[in-house]
Amino acid sequence: DVKVTQSSRYLVKRTGEKVFLECVQDMDHENMFWYRQDPGLGLRLIYFSYDVKMKEKGDIPEGYSVSREKKERFSLILESASTNQTSMYLCASSLSGFGHYEQYFGPGTRLTVT
Amino acid sequence: SQQGEEDPQALSIQEGENATMNCSYKTSINNLQWYRQNSGRGLVHLILIRSNEREKHSGRLRVTLDTSKKSSSLLITASRAADTASYFCATAKTGANNLFFGTGTRLTVIP
Repeated sequence: DVKVTQSSRYLVKRTGEKVFLECVQDMDHENMFWYRQDPGLGLRLIYFSYDVKMKEKGDIPEGYSVSREKKERFSLILESASTNQTSMYLCASSLSGFGHYEQYFGPGTRLTVT
Repeated sequence: SQQGEEDPQALSIQEGENATMNCSYKTSINNLQWYRQNSGRGLVHLILIRSNEREKHSGRLRVTLDTSKKSSSLLITASRAADTASYFCATAKTGANNLFFGTGTRLTVIP
């Protein structure tokens, strides 16, 4: 079974802090994704990566950066957390190919910025 | 930019009844996928239907796709309390490497 794990289920940070969200998958998937989920807005893509050290911006990349140094690990970085980044963050992975394959999701990290 | 829009936003039914959710989208797609999310958890893939398919079944799930109307429906037959969850459609646009998710339908199955 594919397993996608995220470093924290719940996280509370202060405004201005640098925040790291980690995601690890164990199925050798090429693609990895970071989404945020907010009530009434559904899932919005922040960034995705299709290979090590490769990344592409999604719909809402402002205020975020990502890092993919190893194939199994994809990190989301909030350089200076703000209250409007309070949200549920979901990581996913999939095989490569233009949207051809299902995505496997982690359990999510609920981040609160105070 | 969101691609899929689900309808209704919320649905409440009795256990044993069928539940139907609809998804509409705007541009040409490679495939359409349905996911389920239990409260506060990650999404779980349910079924994928390709643009050249019209209907697909998986257990109690039946998905249809009408590319001329740019719409899909998910039917859950003989619903159970455990089916209570949010259901999302996601479209794989032709030439895009990622999926576009809708805002979801919240299904409540009353025992």
